[in-house]
Amino acid sequence: EAQVTQNPRYLITVTGKKLTVTCSQNMNHEYMSWYRQDPGLGLRQIYYSMNVEVTDKGDVPEGYKVSRKEKRNFPLILESPSPNQTSLYFCASSYVRGISYEQYFGPGTRLTVT
Amino acid sequence: GNSVTQMEGPVTLSEEAFLTINCTYTATGYPSLFWYVQYPGEGLQLLLKATKADDKGSNKGFEATYRKETTSFHLEKGSVQVSDSAVYFCALCGDGEYGNKLVFGAGTILRVKS
Repeated sequence: EAQVTQNPRYLITVTGKKLTVTCSQNMNHEYMSWYRQDPGLGLRQIYYSMNVEVTDKGDVPEGYKVSRKEKRNFPLILESPSPNQTSLYFCASSYVRGISYEQYFGPGTRLTVT
Repeated sequence: GNSVTQMEGPVTLSEEAFLTINCTYTATGYPSLFWYVQYPGEGLQLLLKATKADDKGSNKGFEATYRKETTSFHLEKGSVQVSDSAVYFCALCGDGEYGNKLVFGAGTILRVKS
């Protein structure tokens, strides 16, 4: 089954404790992206990657890091989480082919930073 | 920069009622337009899309027409069901946008009562 998986689905942590949210896709997509969803703001892009070893900032990259060492994986790293990073996070992937592609989303990771 | 504005919700309808969720956008050139749906506890799924002016996207009884003159992409369905209860996001990808970047509206909660 074609899918994007994220782990963990729920995470409660404390300020400053480094964490990683994993994302993996099995569709051989070149493009992967991280979004955060906050009430009243919709989804905002954090980082994206066009292919292995190619990453770039989205609209809200501060406080986050990413890496793309393998095509299927795109982990999101919070080196020193703060309460304002409490949010619902989504990973997405797609082919890079023109403008009518579809982005596939993971089930989401709900992060709470206390 | 590019932006999307959706009508605020929640929208509450009775089963078999007609649905309209308004969406307008600001973008240069000819963006691609999308409606995504998020069912409770799940990630986003592409509902429909339109890539050029006057295109009509349709899926599962939902329709939306890309209106360049009014910069709108309103979502409609003739007869909603309880199973349509979800959050609906209008989104765009800018003309020539590098990175498959999606810009989302804030989302509209739809509740359908039986």
